[in-house]
Amino acid sequence: DAGVIQSPRHEVTEMGQEVTLRCKPISGHNSLFWYRQTMMRGLELLIYFNNNVPIDDSGMPEDRFSAKMPNASFSTLKIQPSEPRDSAVYFCASSPTGERNTIYFGEGSWLTVV
Amino acid sequence: AQSVTQPDIHITVSEGASLELRCNYSYGATPYLFWYVQSPGQGLQLLLKYFSGDTLVQGIKGFEAEFKRSQSSFNLRKPSVHWSDAAEYFCAVGGTGFQKLVFGTGTRLLVSP
Repeated sequence: DAGVIQSPRHEVTEMGQEVTLRCKPISGHNSLFWYRQTMMRGLELLIYFNNNVPIDDSGMPEDRFSAKMPNASFSTLKIQPSEPRDSAVYFCASSPTGERNTIYFGEGSWLTVV
Repeated sequence: AQSVTQPDIHITVSEGASLELRCNYSYGATPYLFWYVQSPGQGLQLLLKYFSGDTLVQGIKGFEAEFKRSQSSFNLRKPSVHWSDAAEYFCAVGGTGFQKLVFGTGTRLLVSP
């Protein structure tokens, strides 16, 4: 079975540029999560969707961050404009109905903003 | 609010020795409990989970964890550690009524020869 697929795996961009991270959840999973991981703050939940609808975006750090889920098989996390402090690993994860919160992570997108 | 505490930031264990990683949770109802492992440069992989029933759960890679309600703990154990077990380990709690997991801050396991 294909797991959660994220792209790009690595990105280096200049401050001020727009960054778009992409995620394909596991087929049949109805919840999707975006996490950010840094040394200083650990693993933070940014936003999660249920049946393509954003349920909780309280973790989105500021208006520069936005996330969409136009259909059940695709989600994006956009940062515009990017700043050096956005450098982190961004994980997408998905969860099926009935597995009691069990979530499955992608390999992550490693973002460096210079 | 739900919370998870992993009191040990780093632990060093000799290869072949036994391992126990501590996890304490706070949740008012019956928790769903998870352990994930993250190897360097990788995502988080599910090791094991507890929902109900037998309080000793077996996971992948020879790991097990025991749920102790009286101590609000879900400690992870392995009888004999291998060098490939060096990684970061995260405990997480979930429950009915909320969809997201709450993660601990992680414990980094170092394995010495």
